[in-house]
Amino acid sequence: QVQLHQSGPGLMRPSETLSLTCTVSGTSVRNYHWSWIRQPPGKSLELVGYIFSSGTPHYDFSLESRVTISVDTSKNQFSLTLTSVTAADTAFYYCARLYTDMTTIDGYFGDWGQGTLVTVSS
Amino acid sequence: EIVLTQSPGTLSLSPGERATLSCRAGQSVSSGYLAWYQQKPGQAPRLLIYGASNRAPDIPDRFSGRGSRTDFTLTISRLEPEDSAVYYCQQYAASPGTFGQGTKVEI
Repeated sequence: QVQLHQSGPGLMRPSETLSLTCTVSGTSVRNYHWSWIRQPPGKSLELVGYIFSSGTPHYDFSLESRVTISVDTSKNQFSLTLTSVTAADTAFYYCARLYTDMTTIDGYFGDWGQGTLVTVSS
Repeated sequence: EIVLTQSPGTLSLSPGERATLSCRAGQSVSSGYLAWYQQKPGQAPRLLIYGASNRAPDIPDRFSGRGSRTDFTLTISRLEPEDSAVYYCQQYAASPGTFGQGTKVEI
């Protein structure tokens, strides 16, 4: 059974860099594709980006200048870094396994982490 | 990007009743690349349906999905109290993948 456990800070100041980690158990991180999704409180879900099993990342267009998703196979983890955060980045952040047949760059999401509320406030 | 519009916004029903949730796309969703998720308060979303009509593992058969092109439906055939949640649709046929705004089911 695949399980994802998230870690990272919950409170940040504007202009700081957000770093979240998702530790995968039950499978090797190198075998599958992974993603980060966020949800502003009370709102719907938004894609942040993916990292494919090849190591190639794909980011949402609106965030791609500030976001990096990477994999650490030695720790069986993948991570999200978001620079220059503002109040607009306040959201629940979720990691999830991305399922795609690669006929499109997108896919659907199974095996979610527990979520991390990140609040950006001065 | 493909905009998904879900209706109704809120659905209030009794246990044992049938719930029908709609997800309408602004453009055709090719190959039925549409998923449904259930999200309970304080929890991460849970995948229910992918490929418009395929149930995810361990999802009860009272959940079913159907539809094509621009009109998709999630049906919960016999509501149980634990089905109270917000339900989201998501298309992954065209980048960027997008989510609907959600339908809240109250039981």
